[in-house]
Amino acid sequence: KAGVTQTPRYLIKTRGQQVTLSCSPISGHRSVSWYQQTPGQGLQFLFEYFSETQRNKGNFPGRFSGRQFSNSRSEMNVSTLELGDSALYLCASSLLPGLAGGTDTQYFGPGTRLTVL
Amino acid sequence: KNEVEQSPQNLTAQEGEFITINCSYSVGISALHWLQQHPGGGIVSLFMLSSGKKKHGRLIATINIQEKHSSLHITASHPRDSAVYICAPQLNRDDKIIFGKGTRLHILP
Repeated sequence: KAGVTQTPRYLIKTRGQQVTLSCSPISGHRSVSWYQQTPGQGLQFLFEYFSETQRNKGNFPGRFSGRQFSNSRSEMNVSTLELGDSALYLCASSLLPGLAGGTDTQYFGPGTRLTVL
Repeated sequence: KNEVEQSPQNLTAQEGEFITINCSYSVGISALHWLQQHPGGGIVSLFMLSSGKKKHGRLIATINIQEKHSSLHITASHPRDSAVYICAPQLNRDDKIIFGKGTRLHILP
């Protein structure tokens, strides 16, 4: 079974631009969560989608948005990029909502490393 | 004060030693997760706990809900256990996940 895939793996953008990151969950998984990881703040929860609906949202500005498609693939978008948006963006999938989706394992993708210059 | 505190921040030990990583939290939780992150960023979910103790191979996780404390133990540690271990409580008020800063573990051969 293929794991969670994220594209692109690396991305360099400049301030003011926008970016779209993609996440394909494990086949059959309907829940996708997004996280941001920076050296200063550590891991932070961005949002969670289940069956095309945003189920939960972290404390990030409106520049951060996401969506989920009917095939459970998810995208997140960051508009008007700032230097502080440089981070590793991780997505994770599970069968059901919640970090562990009711099981012991949530499956993380390899992440997209975004650098904003 | 952070809602999640992990200790120690960094830990270096010899192969074979018994390792304990602690996590204290100050919020109401429905579950607590332990994650492992290897160099390069890959994250693996190790455990989800809502009470008691769980064991998987050489890893043991415990939680005391009343004391708002969880521990992750590694028996017979091995260099491949070298990673960052992250405690992640799941809030019972809204199901959101918050994260500890992580414990960087380095096992020497």
